[in-house]
Amino acid sequence: SQTIHQWPATLVQPVGSPLSLECTVEGTSNPNLYWYRQAAGRGLQLLFYSVGIGQISSEVPQNLSASRPQDRQFILSSKKLLLSDSGFYLCAWSPRGRETQYFGPGTRLLVL
Amino acid sequence: SQKIEQNSEALNIQEGKTATLTCNYTNYSPAYLQWYRQDPGRGPVFLLLIRENEKEKRKERLKVTFDTTLKQSLFHITASQPADSATYLCALAPGSAAGNKLTFGGGTRVLVKP
Repeated sequence: SQTIHQWPATLVQPVGSPLSLECTVEGTSNPNLYWYRQAAGRGLQLLFYSVGIGQISSEVPQNLSASRPQDRQFILSSKKLLLSDSGFYLCAWSPRGRETQYFGPGTRLLVL
Repeated sequence: SQKIEQNSEALNIQEGKTATLTCNYTNYSPAYLQWYRQDPGRGPVFLLLIRENEKEKRKERLKVTFDTTLKQSLFHITASQPADSATYLCALAPGSAAGNKLTFGGGTRVLVKP
């Protein structure tokens, strides 16, 4: 069966520090991958999605970036965090050609 | 701009009753619509998908309707149970040509009281 992992689960970072969140998927190949952010009490905002290695589409201009160095690995990064980057970050995957998305456990980021 | 609206007020309902949630959208022509359940501090979990040419979908105690003329989907939980308490999110997608990108509504919190 397929499994999606995210780490860390919780992160507290000072303003201006770098960020690296990792997401890996097991038990499937060539998935579509997605990064979302959820502010407290709000819906999910799509940040990036990828249909293949090295193929990243950005949905929202911001100081975040994403990379997909391997088929089942998706990384969210920032060089300098802002207070507004605080939130709940969710990685998701979907089988190629299918519509359902499967979400990871999320990373709660607090920027102070 | 595209907008997806769900009732931001929590829905309090007595156990055994039917909960009905609304998802309205504007400036959007979705190929399909999905409903997800999200528990506090967890990622959303897929519940149901309904396509633009479908009127109704059922899964156990869940029922979804999709009216592309009204630009609205209704989500029903029949014989609700306290375990159904969660936030329910609707999500729309333009289709596979766009990487199946989903646009989510803000969610509606449901609280089922025993």
